[in-house]
Amino acid sequence: GQNIDQPTEMTATEGAIVQINCTYQTSGFNGLFWYQQHAGEAPTFLSYNVLDGLEEKGRFSSFLSRSKGYSYLLLKELQMKDSASYLCAVYSGGYNKLIFGAGTRLAVHP
Amino acid sequence: GAVVSQHPSWVICKSGTSVKIECRSLDFQATTMFWYRQFPKQSLMLMATSNEGSKATYEQGVEKDKFLINHASLTLSTLTVTSAHPEDSSFYICSQQAGRADTQYFGPGTRLTVL
Repeated sequence: GQNIDQPTEMTATEGAIVQINCTYQTSGFNGLFWYQQHAGEAPTFLSYNVLDGLEEKGRFSSFLSRSKGYSYLLLKELQMKDSASYLCAVYSGGYNKLIFGAGTRLAVHP
Repeated sequence: GAVVSQHPSWVICKSGTSVKIECRSLDFQATTMFWYRQFPKQSLMLMATSNEGSKATYEQGVEKDKFLINHASLTLSTLTVTSAHPEDSSFYICSQQAGRADTQYFGPGTRLTVL
C-alpha cells in the first residue's frame, strides 16, 4: 500500500531551527517533494529530492534516504511567516501520481 | 515554475445546482492537469488527472458523472461539480507539471460552499 507519515503539529521559536520528518512506503519511487501551504491557500513548491543526500536552498534544506524511506525538511532562522503546513509528497512511479502526507502544521512563536 | 490560475476563487451555491471551476495555465501548455480536493485540516486528495483532448482518469471512489472534467485546450481544464450537496463543500485545487522532475505547481484554489 501507500503510506506517508509526518507529525501532525510542531511548534518552534522565532530564530530557531526546526526539522520536520517524513517517512514513506510507496509502490515505486520517482522523487520526494516538500510543499508549504498557508491556511486557506494552495501549496507552493519548496524542494525536490530524488537522490540520497541534502539539498540546500536558502533557509530551507531537504534530506532524503531512499534505503530508509525517510526525508526531512530543515528550516533555519525561523520567521513568523514560516507558520504554515508543510506537506511531504512522493511521486509514485507505479501509480504515476503524487501522493501527499497529511501535512505538519508548524506554529512559530516569538 | 509554472503559473496556474483558477476561477472563481470562492463560490457559494444552493444544494442541487452545478458549479464550474476553471483552471488555466498562464505560461505553459499543459497536456496534463490534476484536480485535487482538500477538506479542512486534511491533506490533498487527487480526484482525477485531466488529459487534453481525451477523457480524464478518475481516482477510485470519485464519481465521474458527478465531477465532470473537460480539458479542451492546452491551457484550460474545467471541473464541474454537478448537483452539488453540502458534503461537496471543500477546497478544490488544480495543478500542472512543469520543469524538473515534472514538479507540480498549484493554482490558488477554489473554495466551494454548498448550502
